[in-house]
Amino acid sequence: DSGVTQTPKHLITATGQRVTLRCSPRSGDLSVYWYQQSLDQGLQFLIHYYNGEERAKGNILERFSAQQFPDLHSELNLSSLELGDSALYFCASSAWVGNSPLHFGNGTRLTVT
Amino acid sequence: QQQVKQSPQSLIVQKGGISIINCAYENTAFDYFPWYQQFPGKGPALLIAIRPDVSEKKEGRFTISFNKSAKQFSLHIMDSQPGDSATYFCAADPNYGGATNKLIFGTGTLLAVQP
Repeated sequence: DSGVTQTPKHLITATGQRVTLRCSPRSGDLSVYWYQQSLDQGLQFLIHYYNGEERAKGNILERFSAQQFPDLHSELNLSSLELGDSALYFCASSAWVGNSPLHFGNGTRLTVT
Repeated sequence: QQQVKQSPQSLIVQKGGISIINCAYENTAFDYFPWYQQFPGKGPALLIAIRPDVSEKKEGRFTISFNKSAKQFSLHIMDSQPGDSATYFCAADPNYGGATNKLIFGTGTLLAVQP
């Protein structure tokens, strides 16, 4: 068990809808990362937060946004959902930055119908 | 080039054999190379990692070989066991001076170890 908790495990929704994915990092970890895993794109970095501040953005669509709260949990908001957004969304946490090990949760599987 | 190329896509090895997975990169700014193991229904888990100042790192049955001049690195699993059957991802981290930890992942190798 990595210590990273993601909810929900599965999410089925319709096109055009908005969903929120939640992540609780390992105790003491200040960094939270979001990754998307799909068959055609593989594991893609979306965004990184460190102690409440956005540190880096990757291939994150404008329809997607994230935030990290004072208690360090994070939420990834996906809006105006399209069929192509169906994927596994992983949250990972690390104690610090600069090549520190990432600890991944078990992901949220999003299906857009 | 912000890519990491991984091969093979899939690999079948007999129990007790050696599994070898290869990765290549272009960007010389990459300075940290971890390998992750992923079982079905689970998130990736860090297996072993190496920095470019060493050519080899061994942890138990897992060894990373690193060739800086060729910009290639590989994972060797010695005495492969059925429990090693999983998807393996190589990754690389550009040097952002400690500002972030933005891993670039390879496409993954599905390893099946036959009993």
